[in-house]
Amino acid sequence: AQSVTQLDSHVSVSEGTPVLLRCNYSSSYSPSLFWYVQHPNKGLQLLLKYTSAATLVKGINGFEAEFKKSETSFHLTKPSAHMSDAAEYFCVVSGSGYNKLIFGAGTRLAVHP
Amino acid sequence: GAGVSQSPSNKVTEKGKDVELRCDPISGHTALYWYRQRLGQGLEFLIYFQGNSAPDKSGLPSDRFSAERTGESVSTLTIQRTQQEDSAVYLCASSFGQQETQYFGPGTRLLVL
Repeated sequence: AQSVTQLDSHVSVSEGTPVLLRCNYSSSYSPSLFWYVQHPNKGLQLLLKYTSAATLVKGINGFEAEFKKSETSFHLTKPSAHMSDAAEYFCVVSGSGYNKLIFGAGTRLAVHP
Repeated sequence: GAGVSQSPSNKVTEKGKDVELRCDPISGHTALYWYRQRLGQGLEFLIYFQGNSAPDKSGLPSDRFSAERTGESVSTLTIQRTQQEDSAVYLCASSFGQQETQYFGPGTRLLVL
């Protein structure tokens, strides 16, 4: 079975400082992993995805994530936070048959001036 | 181009009433998914349609929940005899195929009084 654990429910950073959102996964086979972002009153947007190609995945808005099989982690990072990055972030693993997405509980990112 | 659309955007109903939620996928997308997002939580998979294949209903929480899809177009999710615990945001997603990126609609916020 597949599962995802987001290690922090809330993260608060100052504008211009680095962002780290942590995610660990469990999968019985080579997974596809995703990060989605949900801004208030807006739909879910795909930030990036890993599908067994390069382990360092670059996404939109300057975000990137590194797949580490030995640590079963897929942490999301950004070198410098912007106020517009404040949102809910979901780490997601594909389920059996690749047709179900299994979501983590989410991490709410706050960015302070 | 047009994204996934859902209607209504908000629905308030009384306990025991039936509700019907609609999803219009992106044109050409053969796969369609329904998810539920309870307040402060990640998304839960409900049901998956792929072309003319039998749907994967493994995520439906009870027999009060059902969904239909006509061909590769519109889908409706029906909740019969609604309960207060059905209150959530119901999200629809579509993709070109089973293993392709899912694109999400804005959701229907359901409140059962």
